[in-house]
Amino acid sequence: DGGITQSPKYLFRKEGQNVTLSCEQNLNHDAMYWYRQDPGQGLRLIYYSQIVNDFQKGDIAEGYSVSREKKESFPLTVTSAQKNPTAFYLCASSNPTTARPYEQYFGPGTRLTVT
Amino acid sequence: AQSVSQHNHHVILSEAASLELGCNYSYGGTVNLFWYVQYPGQHLQLLLKYFSGDPLVKGIKGFEAEFIKSKFSFNLRKPSVQWSDTAEYFCAVSNAGNNRKLIWGLGTSLAVNP
Repeated sequence: DGGITQSPKYLFRKEGQNVTLSCEQNLNHDAMYWYRQDPGQGLRLIYYSQIVNDFQKGDIAEGYSVSREKKESFPLTVTSAQKNPTAFYLCASSNPTTARPYEQYFGPGTRLTVT
Repeated sequence: AQSVSQHNHHVILSEAASLELGCNYSYGGTVNLFWYVQYPGQHLQLLLKYFSGDPLVKGIKGFEAEFIKSKFSFNLRKPSVQWSDTAEYFCAVSNAGNNRKLIWGLGTSLAVNP
């Protein structure tokens, strides 16, 4: 089955620690995205990547970092500089080369709790 | 800057009631429009989409949406809701730039009482 996997489903960290969230896709999509979802705030874009070895900041990139060394993988690191890291994080992908480049497919999400 | 507005933040309905969730966007050019749904404990999934052609689009589970260009709207409808429609609904619009981003509404939480 093609899809997006995110692991782990729940993650707990102490304040001051960096943490990396995994996102893997086997859809052969070029573009990948990281969103943060908070109650009542919809989806806010953290980073996105349209192609391997390239990525751009989204609307709320401060305190986060990403890498895109492989087409299938787009890990997100939540650094200690992120002031309010507790949230639900969603990874998505899309295939910009098709006739429907904007259609995004989502993973199940990772709920990060920092105490 | 482009924006997407979902008018209803929380909606509570009884089963068999009709549903209409509003979505308005700010960009006047060509857009792609989406409704996504997030059922409790499940991942976000596409409900329906509009790219071109017939402005009335049908999606999964009996949902439909109408694109009205003159009103910059893409409202979601269902004639008779079920308890299983309880979920969070998000409207999204393609970004006008060349970066393949989506602009998201804040979401509408729908609770259907049995």
